[in-house]
Amino acid sequence: EMQLVESGGGLVKPGGSLRLSCAASGFTFSRYSINWVRQIPGRGLEWVSSISGDSTHIYYADSVKGRFTISRDNAKNSVFLQMNSLRAEDTAVYYCATSGRSGTMETWGQGTLVPVS
Amino acid sequence: DIQMTQSPSSLSASVGDRVTITCRASQSISNYLNWYQQKPGKAPKLLIYGTWSLQTGVPSRFSGGGSGTDYTLTISSLQPEDYATYYCQQSYGTLWTFGQGTRVE
Repeated sequence: EMQLVESGGGLVKPGGSLRLSCAASGFTFSRYSINWVRQIPGRGLEWVSSISGDSTHIYYADSVKGRFTISRDNAKNSVFLQMNSLRAEDTAVYYCATSGRSGTMETWGQGTLVPVS
Repeated sequence: DIQMTQSPSSLSASVGDRVTITCRASQSISNYLNWYQQKPGKAPKLLIYGTWSLQTGVPSRFSGGGSGTDYTLTISSLQPEDYATYYCQQSYGTLWTFGQGTRVE
C-alpha cells in the first residue's frame, strides 16, 4: 500500500524557519513526482510545490517562491520542504501527495500543522 | 496563474438528490481538470481525473464533464457518505491551482 507520512510541523515565529519531511513507503519512490499542498484550517487547498522523481523539474507557487525550497532523497524515500522567512499567512496544514495521471494528486499523507505566530 | 472559481460555495441537498458543482477556469485548461472530496479532519481523496475518468474505487454515481474553461462534477443520487467538501484542481501547465471548494450539506 502506498503511504506518505509528514513530520516536522510545529509552532514557529514569524521570520523563522522550519523543515518538513515526507516519508514514503509501499511504492517505487523515485518514479513519482511529489507535491506539497497546504490548507489553512477551515479554508481551501493551495498547491505549494512539486518535484519530479529525479529532481530535475521543480516548481513553486508564487506565494512561496524564493522562501521555500523543495528537495528529495531517493535513497531515503523522502521529500523535504525547507520553509524560510515564514509569515502568519503560511499557517496551514501541510500535506505531501504523489503526482499521478493528468497531474492529479493521488496518494496523500495525513498532514502536519504549521502555526506561524 | 490560472484561477479556478467553483460554484456554489455551499449547497444543501437530501439523500437521493442529483447534485451538480461547477468549476470555471480563467483560461482554457484543455480538460486537465480533477476533482477531490474532503471530509473533516481528513486528507483530500481523488475522485475524477482528466475531466471524466473515475479514479479506481470511486462509485459510478460520480461523474465529470466539461471542456475549455467550464467543468462539472455530478453526483447522480446523493448518498449519506457523500456529505463533504469538493474541490476542483487544474493541472494544465506547471503551476496548479484549486477551486475554493463546495461544501455539500
